[in-house]
Amino acid sequence: QQQVKQSPQSLIVQKGGISIINCAYENTAFDYFPWYQQFPGKGPALLIAIRPDVSEKKEGRFTISFNKSAKQFSLHIMDSQPGDSATYFCAASKTGNNRKLIWGLGTSLAVNP
Amino acid sequence: ETGVTQSPTHLIKTRGQQVTLRCSSQSGHNTVSWYQQALGQGPQFIFQYYREEENGRGNFPPRFSGLQFPNYSSELNVNALELDDSALYLCASSPQDRGKTQYFGPGTRLLVL
Repeated sequence: QQQVKQSPQSLIVQKGGISIINCAYENTAFDYFPWYQQFPGKGPALLIAIRPDVSEKKEGRFTISFNKSAKQFSLHIMDSQPGDSATYFCAASKTGNNRKLIWGLGTSLAVNP
Repeated sequence: ETGVTQSPTHLIKTRGQQVTLRCSSQSGHNTVSWYQQALGQGPQFIFQYYREEENGRGNFPPRFSGLQFPNYSSELNVNALELDDSALYLCASSPQDRGKTQYFGPGTRLLVL
């Protein structure tokens, strides 16, 4: 059972547009929700993260929106650029012994020039 | 401040062999987590090491084992390699918070023939 469900699987956006990626989770014990960006052949790079007591967090062109009641969170990339073309993963973890990250399946984003 | 480094970058092994992958954590980080990422998938948690002790394990067989050294660097050992072990192996280090914020290395691409 996929504990973190991510959509869409792939996304094509025009340069300057807004990219939106959505995630939903099952476990209400999750209390940390990061987004990672991964380029081919590279490790994931932490983009931005949010806690469930915050409804929105913005860092530069990247914004996380969080809806605790719906158990959903999303990543918005404003003014998308060709350099943003990558795979994006949402993840979640909960307070406990090791805080292992539970990952979505990823969204492949292509930003056309 | 150097980030997380991993070696080797690529590795080819044959079925039944054994492999050791290495990870140097980011300066000041005492927690190391290992993940396996199959092609086109999100990473899967293998295990975590905190202060040289295993601190949680995912759904991986005992032939996956690890070590953490006093300088917080870590090794992942896989015995009796199987074809399905072919993947990108990622190491992530975390500061004192036992893994909440995880910073990833570039990974080791393992191909088992």
